[in-house]
Amino acid sequence: GQQLNQSPQSMFIQEGEDVSMNCTSSSIFNTWLWYKQDPGEGPVLLIALYKAGELTSNGRLTAQFGITRKDSFLNISASIPSDVGIYFCAGPGNTGKLIFGQGTTLQVKP
Amino acid sequence: DAGVIQSPRHEVTEMGQEVTLRCKPISGHDYLFWYRQTMMRGLELLIYFNNNVPIDDSGMPEDRFSAKMPNASFSTLKIQPSEPRDSAVYFCASSSRVVRNTGELFFGEGSRLTVL
Repeated sequence: GQQLNQSPQSMFIQEGEDVSMNCTSSSIFNTWLWYKQDPGEGPVLLIALYKAGELTSNGRLTAQFGITRKDSFLNISASIPSDVGIYFCAGPGNTGKLIFGQGTTLQVKP
Repeated sequence: DAGVIQSPRHEVTEMGQEVTLRCKPISGHDYLFWYRQTMMRGLELLIYFNNNVPIDDSGMPEDRFSAKMPNASFSTLKIQPSEPRDSAVYFCASSSRVVRNTGELFFGEGSRLTVL
């Protein structure tokens, strides 16, 4: 079945550093979504990408829809402690159901 | 506007007991999803409804799991009998648009289930 592979699996960084994570698939996705899950909460949509090559920003977050439609990247600039959480990529699969990656866990050291 | 509301937030029960998890979707949303999250398997879709009708329950692990949506503002996920391996966080999510087109889901805060 379709799968989304996220890397890295986890990151431990210093406050103020930039962060980069990615999501890849062996199949094409027409939409790429990035969700964040704060500890003890449900995932919340951060950025949605609908067009190959699209680059979208939301504050310190920037995400790109890969030109091949098989990957996406999320960057966080100047990280702060509240960036801690799990970041999921997601995309609608062939059956219409949303497929989630396994997540990248981010820890930020003040 | 209120978000997706789930109850209980935490449930601790003994193996063999019945567990009922509840969800109130965002008003006006016509899609409702039940997900399970574990460390080993991540986020798994169990079942989803459209206009109160179950559309795909292929993710429901076994017959011990059942879900209902008697009306547009309420859904339940029931486990009977519960087993320790059912311990997980169960999320309800709702959406107002076709998942295929946008994928934007609104999640509740989850129900953390521990089966002893």
